[in-house]
Amino acid sequence: DAKTTQPPSMDCAEGRAANLPCNHSTISGNEYVYWYRQIHSQGPQYIIHGLKNNETNEMASLIITEDRKSSTLILPHATLRDTAVYYCIVRGTGANSKLTFGKGITLSVRP
Amino acid sequence: SAVISQKPSRDICQRGTSLTIQCQVDSQVTMMFWYRQQPGQSLTLIATANQGSEATYESGFVIDKFPISRPNLTFSTLTVSNLSPEDSSIYLCSVEEVTAHNTFGSGTRLTVV
Repeated sequence: DAKTTQPPSMDCAEGRAANLPCNHSTISGNEYVYWYRQIHSQGPQYIIHGLKNNETNEMASLIITEDRKSSTLILPHATLRDTAVYYCIVRGTGANSKLTFGKGITLSVRP
Repeated sequence: SAVISQKPSRDICQRGTSLTIQCQVDSQVTMMFWYRQQPGQSLTLIATANQGSEATYESGFVIDKFPISRPNLTFSTLTVSNLSPEDSSIYLCSVEEVTAHNTFGSGTRLTVV
């Protein structure tokens, strides 16, 4: 699976949008971009995934660049409960569908 | 999403003993995964457990140390054998949903003394 690169940490103010970047320059055409987050002492939680189109759900939006080499997870109105480690993962399909976690980015939402 | 019940939630074990962790899912799933999260680290995949076949282990993990059972489509166990302090970690099970994303259990926090 292609590797991802994320900054180690970032912060944002409560109520503002949090834009979390991810680089995946070696992504293959059939690999998806997934985002998970892990709030302290809990199991990871699925957020969103996409192939090449932008995606939106009740939690977040995922913006994937046209060349698919990078993406941004957007939390439109961050709250204190969004403080967590966010993992950007590139995942294949079928036999290559394992989730391989990197170090992630620690998002701190400040009051 | 599937609901996963993982037991025990935490345990303190003596070195040299073993701990068996149970993962129960409220629906039938094909693929189940076991992860380890060492203190302050990210998650590392231990093995993939499919019903009716032997588990597939990742590099660095062996069946003698981490035997896995998968008797049916809703249940799996991971045993961590011959415990040492280096095995102190959080162990998590995960299932792949039909919607192509994974759901995780809340984890088992193991401390070896």
